[in-house]
Amino acid sequence: GAVVSQHPSRVICKSGTSVKIECRSLDFQATTMFWYRQFPKKSLMLMATSNEGSKATYEQGVEKDKFLINHASLTLSTLTVTSAHPEDSSFYICSARDPRQGQNEQFFGPGTRLTVL
Amino acid sequence: KQEVTQIPAALSVPEGENLVLNCSFTDSAIYNLQWFRQDPGKGLTSLLLIQSSQREQTSGRLNASLDKSSGRSTLYIAASQPGDSATYLCAVRHNAGNMLTFGGGTRLMVKP
Repeated sequence: GAVVSQHPSRVICKSGTSVKIECRSLDFQATTMFWYRQFPKKSLMLMATSNEGSKATYEQGVEKDKFLINHASLTLSTLTVTSAHPEDSSFYICSARDPRQGQNEQFFGPGTRLTVL
Repeated sequence: KQEVTQIPAALSVPEGENLVLNCSFTDSAIYNLQWFRQDPGKGLTSLLLIQSSQREQTSGRLNASLDKSSGRSTLYIAASQPGDSATYLCAVRHNAGNMLTFGGGTRLMVKP
């Protein structure tokens, strides 16, 4: 299947700083990527849909000014958690759909563990 | 609003047992349903994808079925192994959009 990578895999930061997480499709071009958040022992919640060359679409309750998404190329989407606070600590996972596979299956990155002190 | 429920939330079985994980969804207007595996602290690995027009998919010891009209899917794991221990998530894609709605997952422990 298609490969999606995330960087960094783990980050620890101080409260008030901003953190950028990268999501890359390694062997395909993804016009759409998705960002999810997962709390411990909970399922994934969609935060936003990232569209190449246009503004991201955020789910209800997700602050767009808090979670900045930039999808500047067909292989890269970034999520920036601005002025992070301890309650932002979570596991962030991105996914992308491989258009070569008929817009069906989503492939997920390995996730980024964010800890805000 | 689509809601996806997985039962049981946790399951512990001895090695070699056949087992069934259940997934139900409230809105039958789905495009497809996908089963994933997630190891602790890791991302998701896609196991099986069933299109809305299909009734089942098989991959090795895994078999997933879909009954769209009743809003149910099952993941059957044959001859379970300790390496199967993980959290299994089902997710449905709605006809109208791209997003996946996930169930809460089933945490599986296969004891040697």
